[in-house]
Amino acid sequence: ETGVTQSPTHLIKTRGQQVTLRCSSQSGHNTVSWYQQALGQGPQFIFQYYREEENGRGNFPPRFSGLQFPNYSSELNVNALELDDSALYLCASSLRDVEGNIQYFGAGTRLSVL
Amino acid sequence: RKEVEQDPGPFNVPEGATVAFNCTYSNSASQSFFWYRQDCRKEPKLLMSVYSSGNEDGRFTAQLNRASQYISLLIRDSKLSDSATYLCVVDHTGTASKLTFGTGTRLQVTL
Repeated sequence: ETGVTQSPTHLIKTRGQQVTLRCSSQSGHNTVSWYQQALGQGPQFIFQYYREEENGRGNFPPRFSGLQFPNYSSELNVNALELDDSALYLCASSLRDVEGNIQYFGAGTRLSVL
Repeated sequence: RKEVEQDPGPFNVPEGATVAFNCTYSNSASQSFFWYRQDCRKEPKLLMSVYSSGNEDGRFTAQLNRASQYISLLIRDSKLSDSATYLCVVDHTGTASKLTFGTGTRLQVTL
């Protein structure tokens, strides 16, 4: 196991609602990245947090936001949910500039928007 | 054009076969390259990093051609347990602050 845990594992929401997904990084890792994986696609980068600061963002609208806590755990918040937000949301942790910046993934949160 | 392109497959091969996957990337500034494996409805797991000199890990061999912006993965003596989706991953930041994934190539190994 990677030591990266995500909660909840599954979630059902309706259009327009807001959702918060959580991620605990592997012990000692200071960087957390979030990805969205739609069915049949590869993961798409949402953003990354390094030492509590956003450190890069993909092509996602501002209603996707996040934060990282002093213990390096992280949250992904999505406002005004749309049907297309239905996907597997993956969190990955890494130790920046060490170990080749390898990212280790959690099992993901499967979000369904109805 | 997608930043990372892969043939989605599926590749159906018998046990013991050798199978090769290819991947091309568009950003010539890309610095790090990886192959991840993803089982159905599971998270991606690192299979191996890809180095310019090529590298091997047991039955798996990865090659990188920077001039052609091309990455390959060779699996020898396929096992049933190799059945999965193989994701080609590229990082052009040098700090893994953004990994770009291909759509993945699905492999099904049969008896």
